[in-house]
Parts: sequence; C-alpha cells; structure tokens
Amino acid sequence: QSALTQPASVSGSPGQSITISCTGTLNDVGGFKYVSWYQQHPGRVPKLLIYDVTYRPSGVSDRFSGSKSGNTASLTISGLQPEDEADYYCSSYTTANNPFVFGTGTKVTVL
Amino acid sequence: EELVVESGGGLIHPGGSQRLSCAPSGFHVGTSYMSWVRQAAGEGLEWVSVIYSGGDTYYGDSVKGRFTVSRDNSKNMLYLQMNSLRVDDTAVYYCAKMGSGSFTYFDTWGQGTQVTVSS
Repeated sequence: QSALTQPASVSGSPGQSITISCTGTLNDVGGFKYVSWYQQHPGRVPKLLIYDVTYRPSGVSDRFSGSKSGNTASLTISGLQPEDEADYYCSSYTTANNPFVFGTGTKVTVL
Repeated sequence: EELVVESGGGLIHPGGSQRLSCAPSGFHVGTSYMSWVRQAAGEGLEWVSVIYSGGDTYYGDSVKGRFTVSRDNSKNMLYLQMNSLRVDDTAVYYCAKMGSGSFTYFDTWGQGTQVTVSS
C-alpha cells in the first residue's frame, strides 16, 4: 500500500488561508468518506483535526476544515496563525488488506 | 478522559524480539478498535497494525509475518509482539485508539515508546 501523496511544504503569511492536498486512488480517498487529518508539532504527539472528511472533533478550531473531490482530499487552514506551523498528515481507510494508510506529510510554514 | 500509555521500547539487536505494551484508561480495549502507528526519526507516520473489537487483526506490508497485535481483556492491555526486528523498524511506536464513529480515524494517541534496532 503506497502512502497518499501530499505536498512536501506549504507556506503562508499570518491571516491568509492555505490548502493542503492529499491524493490517493479509488481504493482509498476516492472510494470512501473516511479521510482524516492530523497536526504534529515538532517533538509532539499527532493530534486529530478532521475525521470522516469534514468533521471536527470537539475543541478543534473552526479555522480547520476538510473537503474531498474525487481522489483528492484537502485540508484548509483559514486565518493562518504562527501556532499553525507544524507537520500535517492525512489518512484514509483503504480496501487493501492493510486497511489504513497515511499521507507523506506536509510541513506548514508561517512566514 | 481517555488516555493511553505505551511501554516496552528499548535497544534491540537485529533479529531480536521485543513486546510493546499499551495501557488505556477511560475505556476498554475489548470494546475498541486499537492501532499501532510508528514514526522513524525525521520521517512520516506509518500505520503498523490494528485489532478490531471482534478480534480481527491486520498489518502493514512491512511488518506482516513478523509483528503480532494482541490484547488481554482481563488486564485491559494491548500488546505488539515484534519478532525478526530489522534496523528499519527503528521508530517511535504510538498506540492509538480509533474513533468510535466510523472507526477509521485515530482520536487518542499515547506519548510513544522508542524502539531502536541496532548492533
């Protein structure tokens, strides 16, 4: 099972909006409404941001939103803040015998 | 509050074995979907294995045939038995509870335990 494809890095200025893509196939991202997103600050534990494509867990800022079109899911961060500087990973359920796969990860830099 | 705490990491020689443990609090492993996820230094997240509440288990291709996930419902513990360890198994291993909506996302993560495979 190959990792989902994410851009290596995305940057933006404070207050701007940025979007991180996560591209898979019909066997994963495109075939299910089961994409999730995680934020990981350096040396810290991953934190769930979005699940089931668009849902936010309690306590996660509404500046984070998720969407999907075809085989590509997206995470949008609105009103970018310095504390958003972190690594972001997508994940999807898959039809393969190994039922879960992560994306390659995207480093977000706040300029 | 739901928490998980991993233990059992350490320095292991190539070809050796190690068992990781995960101790949940605030929920029971027997009624949850539980996964192991690992992360090598400077690298991304890699899903390793899952055990469903019904007992079915699945593994990533890189560990299939070498790692075994299990649980002890009486002790409320999750385990990962790692055999035939290789240098590229070196990573921080996270225990993660899967969310009880669709059971396809990881909503509770431990702090991780470092496994280093080296001669």
